[in-house]
Amino acid sequence: RKEVEQDPGPFNVPEGATVAFNCTYSNSASQSFFWYRQDCRKEPKLLMSVYSSGNEDGRFTAQLNRASQYISLLIRDSKLSDSATYLCVVNALYKYIFGTGTRLKVLA
Amino acid sequence: DAGVTQSPTHLIKTRGQHVTLRCSPISGHKSVSWYQQVLGQGPQFIFQYYEKEERGRGNFPDRFSARQFPNYSSELNVNALLLGDSALYLCASSLEARAGEKLFFGSGTQLSVL
Repeated sequence: RKEVEQDPGPFNVPEGATVAFNCTYSNSASQSFFWYRQDCRKEPKLLMSVYSSGNEDGRFTAQLNRASQYISLLIRDSKLSDSATYLCVVNALYKYIFGTGTRLKVLA
Repeated sequence: DAGVTQSPTHLIKTRGQHVTLRCSPISGHKSVSWYQQVLGQGPQFIFQYYEKEERGRGNFPDRFSARQFPNYSSELNVNALLLGDSALYLCASSLEARAGEKLFFGSGTQLSVL
C-alpha cells in the first residue's frame, strides 16, 4: 500500500463547478499536511496547509480527518487557471511524502 | 528576494557518467531537501540537510549522495548513471528542519540519461 494515495483523475469539470479531491495516508504518526499545486513541467507550489479544524483560502477549503487518515481539498467556482495537478503531501519528521497527484482540467 | 535557484536547468548524460546538481536556498533558510520526480509520479524524497548535516535519507541507492555548504547551498551527486535516473530533480528549502515547515521548490533540473 502506498504511503499517500490519491485518485489520479483526470477530473474534467466545467468552469464554475465545484470539485473535491481526496487523499488517504497510512502513517498514523504523520504530523503535518499540505496541498501543493503543480503545473505541467513546473515545480510544485504550496497551495495551503491543512489543519484538523479545517481551513479556507478564498475558493479553496481543506479538511483533515486524523481518525480516518484522510485529507480533502474542495475547489469552488472553478476557473480555467485552476487546471493543474494537485499533490497531497504528508509530513512525518524530516520526510515529506507526496501522493502521485490528481489532475484537474477546467473546461470553458 | 530570490527564490530557490537550481542549476543547470537541463542536462544530458550517458549511462555510467556522474552528475552534480546544485541548489541555493531562499535567503535565511537553513534546510535543503532533494526530490526526484519521474513523469506521472509525485516527487520522491532523496535527502534532507540541515546545518550541513544529513537529517534524513529516502530509499535511494548509495550512488546518490549530497552535501550542504556553510552558506546553506547544496549539491546532489549521482554516480554511475542509469537510464532510470532520468527525471526532474527538485530542490526544496525551508526555514528549519522540523515538522510542519513549508517547502519552497526550485524549478528543477531535468536530467536525461541516454
